[in-house]
Amino acid sequence: DAGITQSPRHKVTETGTPVTLRCHQTENHRYMYWYRQDPGHGLRLIHYSYGVKDTDKGEVSDGYSVSRSKTEDFLLTLESATSSQTSVYFCAIRDRGSGNTIYFGEGSWLTVV
Amino acid sequence: AQSVTQLGSHVSVSEGALVLLRCNYSSSVPPYLFWYVQYPNQGLQLLLKYTTGATLVKGINGFEAEFKKSETSFHLTKPSAHMSDAAEYFCAVSDQDNQGGKLIFGQGTELSVKP
Repeated sequence: DAGITQSPRHKVTETGTPVTLRCHQTENHRYMYWYRQDPGHGLRLIHYSYGVKDTDKGEVSDGYSVSRSKTEDFLLTLESATSSQTSVYFCAIRDRGSGNTIYFGEGSWLTVV
Repeated sequence: AQSVTQLGSHVSVSEGALVLLRCNYSSSVPPYLFWYVQYPNQGLQLLLKYTTGATLVKGINGFEAEFKKSETSFHLTKPSAHMSDAAEYFCAVSDQDNQGGKLIFGQGTELSVKP
C-alpha cells in the first residue's frame, strides 16, 4: 500500500459537465501521475506532476487539466466531459525509497452518458 | 521514443503448466522494465522490475523475467500456473530518471488458467 486514495471511485456524469477526480497521498512523494486505462490500449499517461504547481502533459492530455496546490493532492479535471472520456482513471506515485518504483491507486471508474 | 509490444492479448494455460507472457520493447536509451498484474476491478500491482545488474529478475508469486538486450525482450514466466494467476498482465518501459520516470505500457495480456 503506497498510501494513495482516489475519489470518487465511481461516477456517472452527463456529457458537457465538468468533473474533478482527486488523488491523495500521505507519504510526501514528489512525483504523481494520472493514467487512463482503456481496452486494447493498456494505460496511457494523461498528465504528471513533479512538485507543487509543477505539471506537464502526457500522451493523451487533450480535454484534461490538472492542478497540484499541495504535495499530497493531485487533481484531474475534465472541463466538459465527453463520451470518449469514459474510462478508468488511475493515479500513481513514484517512490524514491523503493528505487523509483511507481505504485498505483485503486482507480476511479468514470462513465459519461 | 519508447514503445512496448505484448504478443497476444489473451493467453490460456492449464493449471500446472508453464506460463509465458511475451514483451518486446523499443528504447533509444537503457531502459527500466516492469511487469504489473491487475486483478478484476483493482489497481495495478508490481510483479517485478529490471533496472540494472542481473538480467534475470525474480518477482512475487513465483514469477520471473529475463532482460535480453539483443532481443529487446523482457518475457514473463512462471513454471507452474495456479488458478489464482488469472488476471491481466502489463509490461511497461521507462527511460530511467529522464522524462520524469514516466511509464509506457503495452496493451496488456489477459491470462486464463483452466482447471
